[in-house]
Amino acid sequence: DAKTTQPTSMDCAEGRAANLPCNHSTISGNEYVYWYRQIHSQGPQYIIHGLKNNETNEMASLIITEDRKSSTLILPHATLRDTAVYYCIVRIIQGAQKLVFGQGTRLTINP
Amino acid sequence: SAVISQKPSRDICQRGTSLTIQCQVDSQVTMMFWYRQQPGQSLTLIATANQGSEATYESGFVIDKFPISRPNLTFSTLTVSNMSPEDSSIYLCSETDGYTEAFFGQGTRLTVV
Repeated sequence: DAKTTQPTSMDCAEGRAANLPCNHSTISGNEYVYWYRQIHSQGPQYIIHGLKNNETNEMASLIITEDRKSSTLILPHATLRDTAVYYCIVRIIQGAQKLVFGQGTRLTINP
Repeated sequence: SAVISQKPSRDICQRGTSLTIQCQVDSQVTMMFWYRQQPGQSLTLIATANQGSEATYESGFVIDKFPISRPNLTFSTLTVSNMSPEDSSIYLCSETDGYTEAFFGQGTRLTVV
């Protein structure tokens, strides 16, 4: 079973920051938080991951709370092409390596 | 990042037949996985494809229905056997070197009629 909880859907205006929350209250100390997105039934695309520090790359920022029980993915300037289903996943780096997907958040960017 | 090619990209098949999906990665990878995505649903892991040994199946999936091969570190196949309309889904291949992010193929869209 997925170990994360996400809102089913969200809307955001084009050009604004999109903030996608994720709860992972049972996360273990060796589990990372990963974010993927899936655009219209294409293969999932990796966005970002982190352990406990905030992370930023060219696509997004990841803010993880100090207790690691929740996180927020931030798309700083959302565009129409960011409309997708966003998946928050917790995963260990060692061992089985598999990704277990929850239902994700369907993000719609509106013009 | 690895490049993953899946073939076919889509197919329409008659019930009772079988389809083999191929997954080719452009570099040697440690782990390969097969997922199913039913219409309107999230991804469900079918199995881990192990190089040189039998695949490791998740609960609810069995080898007779979804036989998997992985003859080397860059190639794997998934067969959907004795298909029924309920098998209509997108099937996705994924890979990881075990230390970084996982990458996905573009999927095979299967329709069983």
